[in-house]
Amino acid sequence: AQSVAQPEDQVNVAEGNPLTVKCTYSVSGNPYLFWYVQYPNRGLQFLLKYITGDNLVKGSYGFEAEFNKSQTSFHLKKPSALVSDSALYFCAVRVPNTGGFKTIFGAGTRLFVKA
Amino acid sequence: GAVVSQHPSWVICKSGTSVKIECRSLDFQATTMFWYRQFPKQSLMLMATSNEGSKATYEQGVEKDKFLINHASLTLSTLTVTSAHPEDSSFYICSARVDRGRSSNQPQHFGDGTRLSIL
Repeated sequence: AQSVAQPEDQVNVAEGNPLTVKCTYSVSGNPYLFWYVQYPNRGLQFLLKYITGDNLVKGSYGFEAEFNKSQTSFHLKKPSALVSDSALYFCAVRVPNTGGFKTIFGAGTRLFVKA
Repeated sequence: GAVVSQHPSWVICKSGTSVKIECRSLDFQATTMFWYRQFPKQSLMLMATSNEGSKATYEQGVEKDKFLINHASLTLSTLTVTSAHPEDSSFYICSARVDRGRSSNQPQHFGDGTRLSIL
């Protein structure tokens, strides 16, 4: 079965330190990979995507993610965390499905950045 | 750009009533719209995908007759929860995407969600 895993339910980081939110996937073919962020009681916001090309993708708010095909990972990173980065982060994979495509979301990782 | 407006943001209603949630793309034409359900402390579940002018494609396990989806125009999709019951209480999120040609790798743009509470 195709799946997306975010192994950490929660990540705690001090402000100013680098942060990493992990994502691994198990799908067939070449997936499209996305990261989204959800602030409290709000909908999702798109951060970045990988379709093809350079493995390092830069996105909104200073975030970046690195596609690693051999490890089937797409970890989200930021060099210096801000308190305002505290939110729920979702990794998503878009894969072919019967009659089209399907987006599979990870369970989400809650990021806490302490001042 | 790429703003998706969802209305209402919060609704409380009695068991047995039907509730309609609107999803509008304000500054672009959405070829494809998606409806998600988010349970407390859980991840997102895709309910259905709809293309303008055609019937929605529902994910396995989602009741078509209970969750009616209409995508009548390129800027509006609606989700109607029919005969709602307390177990339907959830956070419903819509998203919209422009599919350029045969490419479907454009990002989805999300509404702020609708919190539905059935008493």
